[in-house]
Amino acid sequence: AQSVSQHNHHVILSEAASLELGCNYSYGGTVNLFWYVQYPGQHLQLLLKYFSGDPLVKGIKGFEAEFIKSKFSFNLRKPSVQWSDTAEYFCAVMPTGGGNKLTFGTGTQLKVEL
Amino acid sequence: KAGVTQTPRYLIKTRGQQVTLSCSPISGHRSVSWYQQTPGQGLQFLFEYFSETQRNKGNFPGRFSGRQFSNSRSEMNVSTLELGDSALYLCASSPGTSDEQYFGPGTRLTVT
Repeated sequence: AQSVSQHNHHVILSEAASLELGCNYSYGGTVNLFWYVQYPGQHLQLLLKYFSGDPLVKGIKGFEAEFIKSKFSFNLRKPSVQWSDTAEYFCAVMPTGGGNKLTFGTGTQLKVEL
Repeated sequence: KAGVTQTPRYLIKTRGQQVTLSCSPISGHRSVSWYQQTPGQGLQFLFEYFSETQRNKGNFPGRFSGRQFSNSRSEMNVSTLELGDSALYLCASSPGTSDEQYFGPGTRLTVT
């Protein structure tokens, strides 16, 4: 069975600071990788995804993530955060060819201060 | 295109009762998955339905069941409710296999 580990549970940053959220997964086969975001009072939204190809993927709102296969990692980055990025961020994996079953990490609560 | 809709949005039930939650996927999506979100356990996969067949199942007791209709709408049922079933239940739809999922707003279930 697959598992996902997010290293930071709570992160507090000032506006304009750079962000990197760690995500590591454990699975013996190929996976699709996702980052979802949950803004306060809103539903889960897809930030970005990696299926294959260029390991550096860009998502919405200036977010990007890099898939490093040798490290089983898919870290999320943003060069300069804004107050509106305050939200909970979830990394998730889905084995390819196995239907649509997402395994989520425990989430990282990001608070951006003005 | 309308998003994933879930009804009801909020529900309060008593221990021992049963509950049915409903999910309407995005038009054209054939896969519907259900997840439970709690502060302690996070987001956990319940099951997935594709073309009216359960394709994947998570590690939940048999009290949790679901089904999918020919129009891809899905229902989830929890029988003999326990206090620990209090959670946000999320539905997600997807066009095919190993695809990104689009989440609904969830149903907040409180068991008293």
